Amino acid sequence: EVQLVESGGGLVQPGGSLRLSCVASGFTFSDYWMSWVRHAPGKGLEWLANIKQDGSEKYYVDSVRGRFTISRDNANNSLYLQMTYLGVEDTAIYYCARTVGATPFDCWGQGTLVTVSS
Amino acid sequence: DIQMTQSPSTLSASVGDRVTITCRTSQTINNWLAWYQQKPGKAPELLIYKASTLQSGVPSRFSGSGSGTEFTLTISCLQPDDFATYYCQQYSSYSLSWTFGQGTKVEIK
Repeated sequence: EVQLVESGGGLVQPGGSLRLSCVASGFTFSDYWMSWVRHAPGKGLEWLANIKQDGSEKYYVDSVRGRFTISRDNANNSLYLQMTYLGVEDTAIYYCARTVGATPFDCWGQGTLVTVSS
Repeated sequence: DIQMTQSPSTLSASVGDRVTITCRTSQTINNWLAWYQQKPGKAPELLIYKASTLQSGVPSRFSGSGSGTEFTLTISCLQPDDFATYYCQQYSSYSLSWTFGQGTKVEIK
């Protein structure tokens, strides 16, 4: 079964850091571009970042560029999102998702909740 | 960045209705447009990609059309399971932001 499982969310104070993980199973992880997407309460979906199969290309939305870093470990079928300088506006459910060819985001994780609050 | 304008933001409809949601992009995207359905507390699910290709397993009452900068998601005969929020997304280039539309909540009339 194709599966993505996120972890690492939690409560963090403004200005703090957090590292999210996403473990893939049921497919060849190294064949896929991977992305992080978030859904803030009462708002729409926001694509955050993506990373090429071999990690050689990474792209970010303006709102997180310089604060968040996407990375991957193909040997361990894992995707990561290092988040720094978190603000209350970063409170959201964070999802990882895969992409291949013309097909975007055909598989999503269940999401992990990040709450930024003092 | 490519801007997305999705409308309407809310749509009230009855079971059996034909429903249409529109998404406009600020520049042409060569049909690199997808549609997703999201239910409360769940991850989004891919319905349509490349503007009109139905994702495997998605009921045929869902269809996508359009080109250039205007795209449409149609649900031909609304079912009880279809009450949800729908998002369009452009993914025209890996090096550009993959923006989502603002979402359309389909509610029971």
